[in-house]
Amino acid sequence: KAGVTQTPRYLIKTRGQQVTLSCSPISGHRSVSWYQQTPGQGLQFLFEYFSETQRNKGNFPGRFSGRQFSNSRSEMNVSTLELGDSALYLCASSLAIRTEAFFGQGTRLTVV
Amino acid sequence: QKEVEQDPGPLSVPEGAIVSLNCTYSNSAFQYFMWYRQYSRKGPELLMYTYSSGNKEDGRFTAQVDKSSKYISLFIRDSQPSDSATYLCAMSGLAGGGADGLTFGKGTHLIIQP
Repeated sequence: KAGVTQTPRYLIKTRGQQVTLSCSPISGHRSVSWYQQTPGQGLQFLFEYFSETQRNKGNFPGRFSGRQFSNSRSEMNVSTLELGDSALYLCASSLAIRTEAFFGQGTRLTVV
Repeated sequence: QKEVEQDPGPLSVPEGAIVSLNCTYSNSAFQYFMWYRQYSRKGPELLMYTYSSGNKEDGRFTAQVDKSSKYISLFIRDSQPSDSATYLCAMSGLAGGGADGLTFGKGTHLIIQP
């Protein structure tokens, strides 16, 4: 069974640009969550989607947004990139909103 | 006070030793507790998932939850060099997440010396 797939694995962007990251969950999983991981703050929750609806949202500015498609695949978008947005962005897949979360390998975003 | 406290280490032990990793937390609403292992430049891998208080064993791994003390532990028996990684505890008030998703500790860097 294939795991959680995140693309791209690495990205380099310039301040002010926007970026879109993609996540394909485990087959049959309907919930997708996004997390930001930095050395200073660790793993922080961004948002969670289930059946194309955002169910929960963490404490991040509105520049961070996401969506989920009917096939459960999810994208997150960061607009007006700042240097502090440089991080590993992780997607987690769950069977439903109240079950174990399995992570992908992440997308490492560098903002220069 | 952070919601979840975890000693960052590094924790260095000889091969074959029993490893004890711990987290403390302050939010009494947490009911679901997880341990993840993360190798360098990889995503976290789910090791253990437990609900409320008690013990759960899976192979060389044992997870313990003491809700009265707000303290969780992960024990690794017969530790191997391949166990060298960062271990993250995570918890939530609802299974898989809630209003704030999963709340993670900062992780403990574990080194198993051959």
